Amino acid sequence: GAGVSQTPSNKVTEKGKYVELRCDPISGHTALYWYRQSLGQGPEFLIYFQGTGAADDSGLPNDRFFAVRPEGSVSTLKIQRTERGDSAVYLCASSLRGSPTDTQYFGPGTRLTVL
Amino acid sequence: KNEVEQSPQNLTAQEGEFITINCSYSVGISALHWLQQHPGGGIVSLFMLSSGKKKHGRLIATINIQEKHSSLHITASHPRDSAVYICAVNRYTGTASKLTFGTGTRLQVTL
Repeated sequence: GAGVSQTPSNKVTEKGKYVELRCDPISGHTALYWYRQSLGQGPEFLIYFQGTGAADDSGLPNDRFFAVRPEGSVSTLKIQRTERGDSAVYLCASSLRGSPTDTQYFGPGTRLTVL
Repeated sequence: KNEVEQSPQNLTAQEGEFITINCSYSVGISALHWLQQHPGGGIVSLFMLSSGKKKHGRLIATINIQEKHSSLHITASHPRDSAVYICAVNRYTGTASKLTFGTGTRLQVTL
């Protein structure tokens, strides 16, 4: 079956613009995670969805960042008024139930560059 | 200080060598994961450990809960093992399923 997909694979934008990043999780997975990976660093947690609801958004850096998962499947990460410091690879992962022992399956990421 | 520390940060080995990558953590955890990330590629889960030892092919992962330490071993290393290896943990506190990551160990295996 299909794995986790993310679109676009690359996004270049100008400072101040709005961007949307999309994640298609594995079908049937109730848990969805967004992580951000800066160059040379490990990923950092942004937000976790269980079904349609954001169960934990404690990793979102500020109110310019927002994410939705309206039907409990596809999720969109939205960034307003982008800044150069937002440049990173944004990773999405899904797991079956959101249990700590569940394997998280990662998408290929979206590389965001803010000029 | 990061909650999850890995060593070494970079590692170069010759084909056939035995490789060890270490991970130490400072928080209570329910599970520890070893992940592999190829250049330009996605992240693949290798192991999930809550105790003891697991083996898959040439890869072996161990964890010592009391010492808050885990190791990933690669036997008979091969150039295709070249990748970044990342240790990540599920913390007891807060959302149990979200991962806290180390910064990764970049491994290059040469012929």
